[in-house]
Amino acid sequence: GDSVTQMEGPVTLSEEAFLTINCTYTATGYPSLFWYVQYPGEGLQLLLKATKADDKGSNKGFEATYRKETTSFHLEKGSVQVSDSAVYFCALSRHAGGTSYGKLTFGQGTILTVHP
Amino acid sequence: GAVVSQHPSWVICKSGTSVKIECRSLDFQATTMFWYRQFPKQSLMLMATSNEGSKATYEQGVEKDKFLINHASLTLSTLTVTSAHPEDSSFYICSARERLANNEQFFGPGTRLTVL
Repeated sequence: GDSVTQMEGPVTLSEEAFLTINCTYTATGYPSLFWYVQYPGEGLQLLLKATKADDKGSNKGFEATYRKETTSFHLEKGSVQVSDSAVYFCALSRHAGGTSYGKLTFGQGTILTVHP
Repeated sequence: GAVVSQHPSWVICKSGTSVKIECRSLDFQATTMFWYRQFPKQSLMLMATSNEGSKATYEQGVEKDKFLINHASLTLSTLTVTSAHPEDSSFYICSARERLANNEQFFGPGTRLTVL
């Protein structure tokens, strides 16, 4: 079945450091890939997405590129801020044709803490 | 943006009692709502998919008689944990998919259930 594997956390960085959170997936066909973020006390929010190979999703300085050859969707940010401290979830959906998003399969989440 | 609320945010109950959790889409109509369960330091696990006016579709291994789901309107879905036991203690999260162009899922903040 489908699965998503994220790098183990927690990740602790100083402000302005470079961030990478690795994500690899296993799925048949051509899934859509997502990164969600969960700030303390809040629900998950969609951070960025990519629906086909070589697509790059970006938002709020975060980027991730859909790499089909390595089945990866690593999250990166060039300079993190204290306000980026949150839990980050990688996810995939296999029913993403056009405007439809189907069931989501999540990775285990990575806790990011950014110190001033 | 679209907001999903859950009530209560946390609940403590005695073993053998039933607990109802509400999930509401506050400013949009949700054709589909999803219920997830999250164990500490683990990923979100999809329990069931709920469509307004029809029976919920449960994932393999989820007891439909134990986790009753009712999606009575386009803005409300409820999850009732019947005859709760300590092993049902968990973090329950709902999401709602709006009936608009991109069908993106929006997540509630979650409900912490503790069964004594």
